[in-house]
Amino acid sequence: QVQLVQSGAEVKKPGSSVRVSCKASGGIFSNSAISWVRQAPGQGLEWMGVITAIIGATNYAQKFQDRVTITRDESTSTVYMQLSSLRSEDTAVYYCARASQGLQLVEWGQGTLVTVSS
Amino acid sequence: QSALTQPPSASGSPGQSVTISCTGTSSDVGGFTYVSWYQQHPGKAPKLMIYEVSERPSGVPDRFSASKSGNTASLTVSGLQAEDEADYYCSSYAGGNNLVFGGGTKLTVL
Repeated sequence: QVQLVQSGAEVKKPGSSVRVSCKASGGIFSNSAISWVRQAPGQGLEWMGVITAIIGATNYAQKFQDRVTITRDESTSTVYMQLSSLRSEDTAVYYCARASQGLQLVEWGQGTLVTVSS
Repeated sequence: QSALTQPPSASGSPGQSVTISCTGTSSDVGGFTYVSWYQQHPGKAPKLMIYEVSERPSGVPDRFSASKSGNTASLTVSGLQAEDEADYYCSSYAGGNNLVFGGGTKLTVL
C-alpha cells in the first residue's frame, strides 16, 4: 500500500504559480499512476489530471489544459503539480491520489490548501 | 466532459437503507466498468469505498454495496450507522485517460 504525503499550505497572489508536491512511500512508486483532484471550499471534487507510471505520460482535464503541469521524480518518489496564472477561483484543497486501472483513486494524500488572495 | 449527476442530499434513520444514484452517459458510466464511489467526512480526504462498479476494498463494511444499470450507477448503504453520515461522490472513467466526478451527495443519518 502506498502512502502519499503532500506539501504544506500555500498562499499565492493572483497571476502567480504554485507547485504542490506529493511524496510516496511504502509501495512501488514507479508502478503508480498519480492523479490530482481539487476541492474548492464547500464544493465537490474536480479531477485535474494524471501522470502515468513508468513512462510518465500526462493527461489533463480540458479545463486545466493550459495551466497545469504534472511531473514526477523517480529518484525521490515525488509527483509535482504546478498550476499557473492563479486566480481567486483556484482557492481550494488539492489532493494527489494513486490511480489504479480506470483511474480509480485508491489512496489519497492528506490534501494541500492553496489560497489565492491579493 | 460534464459532471455526473447525483442528488444533492439523501437521508435515512439508523438501521435503514439508503440508495444514492449517479447518472452519466454512454461515454462514461455506461461505457466502462470503472465506476467508483468515495466517502468524505468533513475536513478529511476522500476514501475509496467501491471500485469497478461493485467491488469493495479490504476493510470497507459489506453494508456498502453498489451496482450499475445502463448509464446510472447506484450506491446502497444498508443498516445505516451514525458514522456513515458523510459526503459521497461517484466517479467514472471517461476514456482517453480522463476521469469525471459526480457533484456529490450529502448523506444525513437522522
